[in-house]
Amino acid sequence: AQSVTQLGSHVSVSEGALVLLRCNYSSSVPPYLFWYVQYPNQGLQLLLKYTSAATLVKGINGFEAEFKKSETSFHLTKPSAHMSDAAEYFCAVSGGSSNDKIIFGKGTRLHILP
Amino acid sequence: EAQVTQNPRYLITVTGKKLTVTCSQNMNHEYMSWYRQDPGLGLRQIYYSMNVEVTDKGDVPEGYKVSRKEKRNFPLILESPSPNQTSLYFCASSPGRVANVLTFGAGSRLTVL
Repeated sequence: AQSVTQLGSHVSVSEGALVLLRCNYSSSVPPYLFWYVQYPNQGLQLLLKYTSAATLVKGINGFEAEFKKSETSFHLTKPSAHMSDAAEYFCAVSGGSSNDKIIFGKGTRLHILP
Repeated sequence: EAQVTQNPRYLITVTGKKLTVTCSQNMNHEYMSWYRQDPGLGLRQIYYSMNVEVTDKGDVPEGYKVSRKEKRNFPLILESPSPNQTSLYFCASSPGRVANVLTFGAGSRLTVL
């Protein structure tokens, strides 16, 4: 079985500052991991995914995430926040190529302070 | 344009009045799924389908039905809606028979009075 925990339902950072959104997972098989972003009044869009290749994954809009098996973590980072990054971010896990479910975390709303 | 289309986008209805939310994808995806999004609870899976005529329950299936008669369509049916089904609903699809990268619809906001 898989599960996801996102630490912090709300995170605020200043424009230009580092963005760090935390995600820890639990999986009984090698996982696939995802970060999705939801802008206001829109559906979710894929930011990036990890599928057992490189542990550092680069996504769209300057975001990246690092898979750390020893810490069961998949934290999302961006070196310099932009006002347009304000959105809700969801971490998700699936049980790899043999699994038919994706489990989502509860989401973290990112606020960008001017 | 590759997309998942949901209708209606907004709906206000009353308790007990049957309704259907349609979902259609134009990407020839085999996997389709319905989620509901509630504040503080994230996205929870209602039902999913790995292929035509194959559907299975997700985490919160009570009060919902689905069907998959055609590959492109996956309607969500609320036979007798209740106020606790007031929520934001998303349909999503993925290539292949398993859940991988999902493409989401824009969402359907349902209010049951």
